[in-house]
Amino acid sequence: AQTVTQSQPEMSVQEAETVTLSCTYDTSESDYYLFWYKQPPSRQMILVIRQEAYKQQNATENRFSVNFQKAAKSFSLKISDSQLGDAAMYFCAYRSAISGSARQLTFGSGTQLTVLP
Amino acid sequence: EAQVTQNPRYLITVTGKKLTVTCSQNMNHEYMSWYRQDPGLGLRQIYYSMNVEVTDKGDVPEGYKVSRKEKRNFPLILESPSPNQTSLYFCASSISGTVLNSPLHFGNGTRLTVT
Repeated sequence: AQTVTQSQPEMSVQEAETVTLSCTYDTSESDYYLFWYKQPPSRQMILVIRQEAYKQQNATENRFSVNFQKAAKSFSLKISDSQLGDAAMYFCAYRSAISGSARQLTFGSGTQLTVLP
Repeated sequence: EAQVTQNPRYLITVTGKKLTVTCSQNMNHEYMSWYRQDPGLGLRQIYYSMNVEVTDKGDVPEGYKVSRKEKRNFPLILESPSPNQTSLYFCASSISGTVLNSPLHFGNGTRLTVT
């Protein structure tokens, strides 16, 4: 079974600065999908960014970008120009591309990000 | 507005009293799923459904039941709740269980406390 590890339970960043949240995963598969979800205090789970393992180019969504290192099984999230509204719990998630095991999304334990004014 | 609606948002109950958490989506999604979120454990899948009348166990199905009689609804049933089921529950849906890069759309969560 796949596992997803977020080794930083808590992180903080100064407003307007850049922060990187780490995520590593364990899999023997070559094709899969990776996601970052954000959970603000409202509890709503919001998709931040996604990456297909077969794509070498790192995904980018405005101030959010990833550093996808397939060989190292690493999928970090970089938030540039941090804003107060970025304060949230961030979850990394893995989804297999193999039929039969593809139904499940495996989540990491989360990183609580605090943005300091 | 496209959304996943869960009810109730908060629920406090006693051990052994059957309860149902409702989930409904208005996006005509085929795939629906239930997760529980516990501190330090992230989200773990309870059950999922690929389509009407097709359900299967996730990682932590013990003590839960689901049904998928209609495409839009996917209720979570706790026949005899116990304190270890105190958790934050999320319902989620996506367009299809086979479109693998399609994101999950989540409900707003149900905070369940079992005393």
